[in-house]
Amino acid sequence: DVKVTQSSRYLVKRTGEKVFLECVQDMDHENMFWYRQDPGLGLRLIYFSYDVKMKEKGDIPEGYSVSREKKERFSLILESASTNQTSMYLCASTLGLAGGRTGELFFGEGSRLTVL
Amino acid sequence: AQSVTQLGSHVSVSEGALVLLRCNYSSSVPPYLFWYVQYPNQGLQLLLKYTTGATLVKGINGFEAEFKKSETSFHLTKPSAHMSDAAEYFCAVSENQGAQKLVFGQGTRLTINP
Repeated sequence: DVKVTQSSRYLVKRTGEKVFLECVQDMDHENMFWYRQDPGLGLRLIYFSYDVKMKEKGDIPEGYSVSREKKERFSLILESASTNQTSMYLCASTLGLAGGRTGELFFGEGSRLTVL
Repeated sequence: AQSVTQLGSHVSVSEGALVLLRCNYSSSVPPYLFWYVQYPNQGLQLLLKYTTGATLVKGINGFEAEFKKSETSFHLTKPSAHMSDAAEYFCAVSENQGAQKLVFGQGTRLTINP
């Protein structure tokens, strides 16, 4: 089975702190994604990466950055956390469409971040 | 740009009753369509997907969905609800090209009454 592991399930940080959310997948997927989930808003894409050292902005990249130094690892960074970044963060990965695949996402269990 | 609208943020049905969760999408290219389920304190898992071919697709746990191009809809159904179906359900659309970004709807929380 594909496994996407997010390092922290629950975090509490203070305003202005730097926050790292780590995500590791074990199935050699090319594409990795960070979404945030808020009630009534569904999932919104923050950043995604389709290769090592490559990244692209999603719909709500402001206040976030990402790092992908190795294929299996995709990190989300909040340079200076703010209270409006309190949310559930979901990492996902996919093989993409090569070889006739249909590209469904595989998700981690989420990291619930509270910024005080 | 693609978008997804799920009608009804909360749906409540009795155990044994029909479940119907509505999803409408917009896409400029033939879409790939997905339904995901999220149980409390967990990530999302795939229920079913439509890519090409048969428009009625069957998924896990007795769910199915029908792609209707003329109505731009992909509604999720289950003939008989079970208590274990209580969860949040997300419809998603993607373009069948590129990095396979998915655009999600707002989610529908399904409650099952005994």
